[in-house]
Amino acid sequence: KQEVTQIPAALSVPEGENLVLNCSFTDSAIYNLQWFRQDPGKGLTSLLLIQSSQREQTSGRLNASLDKSSGRSTLYIAASQPGDSATYLCAVRPGAGTALIFGKGTTLSVSS
Amino acid sequence: GAGVSQSPSNKVTEKGKDVELRCDPISGHTALYWYRQSLGQGLEFLIYFQGNSAPDKSGLPSDRFSAERTGGSVSTLTIQRTQQEDSAVYLCASSFSGGAVEQYFGPGTRLTVT
Repeated sequence: KQEVTQIPAALSVPEGENLVLNCSFTDSAIYNLQWFRQDPGKGLTSLLLIQSSQREQTSGRLNASLDKSSGRSTLYIAASQPGDSATYLCAVRPGAGTALIFGKGTTLSVSS
Repeated sequence: GAGVSQSPSNKVTEKGKDVELRCDPISGHTALYWYRQSLGQGLEFLIYFQGNSAPDKSGLPSDRFSAERTGGSVSTLTIQRTQQEDSAVYLCASSFSGGAVEQYFGPGTRLTVT
């Protein structure tokens, strides 16, 4: 059974720092992996989608990497800002016609 | 364009009552998913609709939960005889297909069973 783990559960950093959020999954046979952001009381906003054949995806200050063989993904946030404060969720899709399996998230707080 | 919408945004109900939660997916999206986010838990998959295919109900926690999707668009999640452990945020997502594309999430319905 696929399980997704995110470490750390919470992270506090000062504004301007670069940071890395970690995601690991137990079964390397995934179809794709998606990183989301969730603000308090809100739904999920998709940040990056990495297909199983890809190694990384970039969007602005965000870079997500994928190492299927080791069952790991990282989300790198450059030059963090207070507006980046949110919970970041990692989710894997086991197959083409399956739903996402989520980690419990990392709650990020960026102080000014 | 319009995103995924859900109604109501908040619902408080008494234990034992039935509730209906509604999801309007993005126009043209053929795949629709329901997830549940409980306090301290991650998001759990409930049910998945893809086009006219039979839905994947493997995530429904009990037979008190059911969902339907009318006309390939709007979906309703029904919880019968609600229990306190049903209290959670219920999130709906849609995508163009069930394959290699992003899922777009609605704002969720926060259900509280008293």
